[in-house]
Amino acid sequence: GQQLNQSPQSMFIQEGEDVSMNCTSSSIFNTWLWYKQDPGEGPVLLIALYKAGELTSNGRLTAQFGITRKDSFLNISASIPSDVGIYFCAGRTLWNTPLVFGKGTRLSVIA
Amino acid sequence: GAVVSQHPSWVICKSGTSVKIECRSLDFQATTMFWYRQFPKQSLMLMATSNEGSKATYEQGVEKDKFLINHASLTLSTLTVTSAHPEDSSFYICSAPLAGVDIQYFGAGTRLSVL
Repeated sequence: GQQLNQSPQSMFIQEGEDVSMNCTSSSIFNTWLWYKQDPGEGPVLLIALYKAGELTSNGRLTAQFGITRKDSFLNISASIPSDVGIYFCAGRTLWNTPLVFGKGTRLSVIA
Repeated sequence: GAVVSQHPSWVICKSGTSVKIECRSLDFQATTMFWYRQFPKQSLMLMATSNEGSKATYEQGVEKDKFLINHASLTLSTLTVTSAHPEDSSFYICSAPLAGVDIQYFGAGTRLSVL
């Protein structure tokens, strides 16, 4: 089955630093989504990507859909304490089919 | 963005009882909804795909008689954990895709604790 490799698994950074995380897939995806999950909550959508090479920003967050359609990265600039949480990448090949999730990147920000 | 409401957010029950979890799309219709299960510090694991007006599709290893899914309307899907046992304790999350934009929105999740 499809698998997503997300890295790193966890990160400890100083407030103000930039963060980068990525996901790679064993197969081609047509959609890449990045979510953030706070403890005890459901995932909240951060950025959606639909085209190979697409680069999209949402405030301090920037994500790209890899040219090969098998990878994506998420960057967070100038991190702040509220960025703490678990970030998941997710992808799928067809609309209305279940998402395949990465294992998440747990981000800790040290003030 | 679209809103998916999940209820209850937390439930504690005795072993052997059944628990129903509701998932509603508040401002859009969803012919399909997805149910996930998440263990502590792990990713979301798809349990089943709920289809309005037809039977749910279960992932391999998920007992359909244990986890009953009903998608009776275009805005409501329910997951019933029957004869719950402590090993069913987990965080259950539903999601619904928004047609036309290929985005899935998630509910806030339900934490089930079986004593």
